[in-house]
Amino acid sequence: SQKIEQNSEALNIQEGKTATLTCNYTNYSPAYLQWYRQDPGRGPVFLLLIRENEKEKRKERLKVTFDTTLKQSLFHITASQPADSATYLCALENGSARQLTFGSGTQLTVLP
Amino acid sequence: NAGVTQTPKFRVLKTGQSMTLLCAQDMNHEYMYWYRQDPGMGLRLIHYSVGEGTTAKGEVPDGYNVSRLKKQNFLLGLESAAPSQTSVYFCASSPNGQGPEKLFFGSGTQLSVL
Repeated sequence: SQKIEQNSEALNIQEGKTATLTCNYTNYSPAYLQWYRQDPGRGPVFLLLIRENEKEKRKERLKVTFDTTLKQSLFHITASQPADSATYLCALENGSARQLTFGSGTQLTVLP
Repeated sequence: NAGVTQTPKFRVLKTGQSMTLLCAQDMNHEYMYWYRQDPGMGLRLIHYSVGEGTTAKGEVPDGYNVSRLKKQNFLLGLESAAPSQTSVYFCASSPNGQGPEKLFFGSGTQLSVL
């Protein structure tokens, strides 16, 4: 069956360090992958999209990689700040009707 | 622009009661979605709509019905609420479903079924 796994544990890092979040998937062949940010009590907000033929995508302090051989995406936040504390979700297009399937998310806490 | 607006924000129901959640978007998007979010399980798609007057089942449709009578509105109904439907419900929309698109989410409805 199709499965998406994100870091199961909450991730705590020190301010200024680089946070790296992992999204692994099985039994998918997604054409693209997306990352969202979700703050408590709010809906997810889109951050980045990366296509299967792109190895890396950057936006300001954010970087996403997509390795279709390893079936893995890495999400990096450089020079992390306490304001980056949130839950980060990865989502894969499942190939039918443009539906996205979401991982359960990784809760990131950046400590001052 | 308000984006995607969900009402109500909170609701408590007794088992067996019915209710309707309303989602409205002002971005002229074709596609609309209803997800539920439970701890440790991520967002799961309940139903979606590819345009006015059309609806389709998602991953977890049982116990829910939807309607899209107007392009800007997508309603989610619970005919006979069960405790298993206690969850946070999110509505989302996307422009036209053609190619990779980001979803725009509402702020959610916290539903408790006692």
